[in-house]
Amino acid sequence: DIQMTQSPSSLSASVGDRVTISCRASQGIGSYLNWYQQKPGKAPKLLIYAATTLQSGIASRFSGDGSGTDFTLTISSLQPEDFATYYCQQGYSNLITFGQGTRLDI
Amino acid sequence: EEVLVESGGGLVQPGGSLRLTCTASGFIFGKHVMNWIRQAPGKGLEWVSLIGSSGDYSYYADSMRGRFMISRDNSKNTLHLDMNSLRAEDTAVYYCVRSQPQFAQYELWGQGTLVTVSS
Repeated sequence: DIQMTQSPSSLSASVGDRVTISCRASQGIGSYLNWYQQKPGKAPKLLIYAATTLQSGIASRFSGDGSGTDFTLTISSLQPEDFATYYCQQGYSNLITFGQGTRLDI
Repeated sequence: EEVLVESGGGLVQPGGSLRLTCTASGFIFGKHVMNWIRQAPGKGLEWVSLIGSSGDYSYYADSMRGRFMISRDNSKNTLHLDMNSLRAEDTAVYYCVRSQPQFAQYELWGQGTLVTVSS
């Protein structure tokens, strides 16, 4: 299976900060990388797919970058509603795997 | 509105069985790959299984293969997950999720149903 490793596991930030979360794949996955946001008690929400494409309806302060094995999710200016847990997910293999998550706290 | 609603969760004893159902509405169910994804309490997301739009292929995570079976009925807009030989570590919220095939992005999620495996 392809292992997905996110860093950091948790992060403290303030409203207005620029934040970057990293995700590394154990082997090359091209651009088959997606990002999700999850708030407590809720289902995850798709933010970015194909490494860099913003899902419809998602704020433009979210952006994704990378290809191969190293990827990033950047929030350009944190808003109060952005404090949540973020997951990366590879879609390269039929055996889908997620990163362990990055918790973003105030 | 496009909606997925899971049902069938509950408390089951170790070694027992359970069938989860997902009912879709607001879109053409038979045109989409469907998945089950689970999340143990306080833990991350774990993909369980997927099934092709016509049910012609399916895949399972290693720890579920042989114990879980995914199926669908496109005439009833329903997705199922039959779970057997359940273990305590199968305790989780199980989400029904629609994906796009190109990048396997999970674009539509149900609210989840909790399965608790305990004696």
